[in-house]
Amino acid sequence: NAGVMQNPRHLVRRRGQEARLRCSPMKGHSHVYWYRQLPEEGLKFMVYLQKENIIDESGMPKERFSAEFPKEGPSILRIQQVVRGDSAAYFCASSPDRGGSFEQYFGPGTRLTVT
Amino acid sequence: GENVEQHPSTLSVQEGDSAVIKCTYSDSASNYFPWYKQELGKRPQLIIDIRSNVGEKKDQRIAVTLNKTAKHFSLHITETQPEDSAVYFCAARVNNDMRFGAGTRLTVKP
Repeated sequence: NAGVMQNPRHLVRRRGQEARLRCSPMKGHSHVYWYRQLPEEGLKFMVYLQKENIIDESGMPKERFSAEFPKEGPSILRIQQVVRGDSAAYFCASSPDRGGSFEQYFGPGTRLTVT
Repeated sequence: GENVEQHPSTLSVQEGDSAVIKCTYSDSASNYFPWYKQELGKRPQLIIDIRSNVGEKKDQRIAVTLNKTAKHFSLHITETQPEDSAVYFCAARVNNDMRFGAGTRLTVKP
């Protein structure tokens, strides 16, 4: 059973470009969470999705950021018109479908650098 | 929303000593409290967790305690080893939301 997969692992974008980050949850997981981690800081919640639904996006900036988790394929975090302040590690986590299960398992992260 | 505070931000101990990291949370509805270990450049790894209906849980050298009345929980590592050196994060979950503490950088000196 493969773990949570994220790609790319490293992404370099110039200011103004778009960044697309992908996350494939563990098999049997349909809950996906995205977090942002700045250097030397903690994990900041961004968005929680289930298949085809955004459940909670309270941590995501209102502009330039969007997330989706389609019926087929990975979850995508999209950042439009990137700025230097978007440089960070972006982690996704997934949790099982069974009721009452809260554990979240993290992917390896995507390190975004905006030049 | 939930607010999680974690102390200390850095902790240095001698190999073999114990380490204690403490967290407080604000939302009394929080019902799940995991601890993650993150080594440099790697993903956070779940090391232990506790639910609100339990006061203490132990797994070898690691233990977690929960005081629901005071809304705080702690991670205890005994007989520390250099490979325990990492950043440790606590978290609290209420409904669908997981909120993390700012992290504690633990250094175990050989």
